[in-house]
Formats: sequence, C-alpha cells, structure tokens
Amino acid sequence: GENVEQHPSTLSVQEGDSAVIKCTYSDSASNYFPWYKQELGKRPQLIIDIRSNVGEKKDQRIAVTLNKTAKHFSLHITETQPEDSAVYFCAASINRDDKIIFGKGTRLHILP
Amino acid sequence: EPEVTQTPSHQVTQMGQEVILRCVPISNHLYFYWYRQILGQKVEFLVSFYNNEISEKSEIFDDQFSVERPDGSNFTLKIRSTKLEDSAMYFCASKRGPTDTQYFGPGTRLTVL
Repeated sequence: GENVEQHPSTLSVQEGDSAVIKCTYSDSASNYFPWYKQELGKRPQLIIDIRSNVGEKKDQRIAVTLNKTAKHFSLHITETQPEDSAVYFCAASINRDDKIIFGKGTRLHILP
Repeated sequence: EPEVTQTPSHQVTQMGQEVILRCVPISNHLYFYWYRQILGQKVEFLVSFYNNEISEKSEIFDDQFSVERPDGSNFTLKIRSTKLEDSAMYFCASKRGPTDTQYFGPGTRLTVL
C-alpha cells in the first residue's frame, strides 16, 4: 500500500523566514496530495492541496510543488508568522481508494 | 460554514468496556471515514463507508470495531471490548463526492484505563 515519508520531523525558523517541508510517496497511482495543519488538541485543517495534473499551486504565503516523476511533493511557507507554529502533515490519496495516508508530521516552530 | 461534529469530546472507559463514538457528517456528504491518532503520532486510516457499507478498512479495524449509519445524520464507531492501546484521538471525516476534499471533525479523545 501507499507509504508517505515526511521530513524534517521538527523545523525551527525565524519569524519572517521561509519554511520548507518535504514528502515522498511510494504509490505512483496516488493522485491527490493534501496538506493539513494541526494545532495542539485540534482537528487537522486542510491548508492546501494539489492534484497530480498540476505541478505547483499557490495560496497567498503557502505553496505546494509536486514532482510526479520523483514522487516528491513539498510545502513552502513564506514570510512565516507566529501563528504558523503547528504540526503540518502531508498526505496522499488515490481517489478510487478514498483513504488518506498521512506522513508522520513536521512540528514547525516560528522563533521570535 | 458547515462542519463535521463529534461527540463526546472526551470519553474515559475501563478496559473491556464497549464505547460508541458519534459523528454528524456535513449534511450533503456521502462518503464517511474514521481515523485515529495516538498521542504524538500520525493520523491513521481506520475505515471508509459509502452507500451504507464499508468501502475499505485497515489492519487496525479488526473484529472489535464496527461502524454504522443508524439514521440519515449520524455515523458511529463502536469498539466492542476496549484495550489500553485503543487510547487515541478518533477523528471522523466526510466528503461530498469521490474527488472532493475530506473534512475532519474535532475528534473524540478516548482514554482506556
């Protein structure tokens, strides 16, 4: 089945700098890649997603890139702010299978 | 904006007891899911449900687990005889169509003593 690897497990960046989180997936049939932000004790919140027919997607300070050949996808957060501190999960899904397979998460700390 | 809701927010139970976790998916959604997250770990898929039957289940979803949609609004997860290792946050999710986004509920924290 699908396996999603995520790096790094912890990331600290100065406020205002950029943060990059990288993921790889194993099943070439995966065609949907959501990213979730989870604050302590809260539900995972979808922040951006990308489908396999697109190489890049941007929403304000957040962008995601997808390299289907290499089975890599990345989350980029620019101009980081204190409220960006959270755990971020990448995930992959095959629409026909339905389930979302999550990475292990990256704890992002924004330093003042 | 409509949201998935779950009750209770926290359930404490003794090992061996049955628990039922409840979810109310978004009203026009047709696909329903349960996931769990052991403290400090990733979110893991348990089961998907569509058209009143299980679509897929993971290895975690053994004979002790069952799901039901007893009426037009609720979606429940039952654990027949809880074990200590069932302690986790359980998230319900739903989506409208096959290619739509899944939306997660706030979770039920299950503590098995």
